[in-house]
Amino acid sequence: GENVEQHPSTLSVQEGDSAVIKCTYSDSASNYFPWYKQELGKRPQLIIDIRSNVGEKKDQRIAVTLNKTAKHFSLHITETQPEDSAVYFCASERVEMDSSYKLIFGSGTRLLVRP
Amino acid sequence: DGGITQSPKYLFRKEGQNVTLSCEQNLNHDAMYWYRQDPGQGLRLIYYSQIVNDFQKGDIAEGYSVSREKKESFPLTVTSAQKNPTAFYLCASTPGQGFPPLHFGNGTRLTVT
Repeated sequence: GENVEQHPSTLSVQEGDSAVIKCTYSDSASNYFPWYKQELGKRPQLIIDIRSNVGEKKDQRIAVTLNKTAKHFSLHITETQPEDSAVYFCASERVEMDSSYKLIFGSGTRLLVRP
Repeated sequence: DGGITQSPKYLFRKEGQNVTLSCEQNLNHDAMYWYRQDPGQGLRLIYYSQIVNDFQKGDIAEGYSVSREKKESFPLTVTSAQKNPTAFYLCASTPGQGFPPLHFGNGTRLTVT
């Protein structure tokens, strides 16, 4: 089945620096790749997503890049701020033979932005 | 105010007891999902339902059961057969098949002692 690997598991950066989180997936049929941010004790919230017909998408300080050939995608956060500290999850869609749809998640990256 | 409501926020049970977690949505979404979250791990899919009166097992369905009698409700029962039930449980929904993204509820933290 679909597998999503995420690295690193923890990331500590100085405020103002950039942070990069990387994910790889196994199902070449996947076409949708979202990123979620989860603050302590709260629900995951979508921060950005990308479809396979584009290679990069940007929203202010965050961007996602996708390499379909290599089956990996990355989250880039520039000018990091303390409020960016959270756990970030990547995900990849999986469509089953009966057309049922689900998301498979990576194991998460705990990002700490030091003031 | 549309959204997904999970209740209760915290739940405590004794080992050997079944417990049901509630998930209600007023988004008129067709598809609903249950995920389990453990420390240091990602979200793992327990069960999902694409339409009323139909549901499928996810990757870790053993020891769990669900029902989907109404479009807006997708309760999850954690049975005594689940060997390690203490976890954070998240319910989610989407408008339908192939219509991301997932919208999550606030979660229920279940502790079994």
